[in-house]
Amino acid sequence: DAKTTQPTSMDCAEGRAANLPCNHSTISGNEYVYWYRQIHSQGPQYIIHGLKNNETNEMASLIITEDRKSSTLILPHATLRDTAVYYCIVARYGGSQGNLIFGKGTKLSVKP
Amino acid sequence: DTGVSQDPRHKITKRGQNVTFRCDPISEHNRLYWYRQTLGQGPEFLTYFQNEAQLEKSRLLSDRFSAERPKGSFSTLEIQRTEQGDSAMYLCASSSGRTGETQYFGPGTRLLVL
Repeated sequence: DAKTTQPTSMDCAEGRAANLPCNHSTISGNEYVYWYRQIHSQGPQYIIHGLKNNETNEMASLIITEDRKSSTLILPHATLRDTAVYYCIVARYGGSQGNLIFGKGTKLSVKP
Repeated sequence: DTGVSQDPRHKITKRGQNVTFRCDPISEHNRLYWYRQTLGQGPEFLTYFQNEAQLEKSRLLSDRFSAERPKGSFSTLEIQRTEQGDSAMYLCASSSGRTGETQYFGPGTRLLVL
């Protein structure tokens, strides 16, 4: 089972910030928080990941709470092309484990 | 673009036939993963390789499923005696294997079993 909880769906107005929440209350100290998105009929696309500090890249920002039990993905200026299913995943890398466990994600609809 | 590529992109087959899918990872990525995705669900992990070694295969759905990566570069996923329930998107991903590395996915192969 996925170790994260996300809302099933969210709407956002074009040009506004989209804030996608994720709960991961059982996260372990060596697990990262990863965000991927999947546009209809395409493979998942990596967005961003973090361990405990907030992270920002050209696509998004990731805010992780101090206790690491939840996080928020922020798309600062959503466009229609950001309409997709967004997956929040906690994962540990190294050693013999490397697979990602996907839940059902949040379906984000960006509306004009 | 030197991303992950998969071939074919679409496959229609009749029940009972064997099918094989190919995945070419990002150059020099030593880890390669296979996932399956059915309608309305997130991708489900099947198996993965580090170089040519298959390190996890207990999640392969049945003994009809097998995967190889003979030279540590491209990989193939074979499904024997296909069933209608095998209809799904089959996704491949690769990573560089370092701690905290990211998996990059290909476009997937969509299989329809009639």
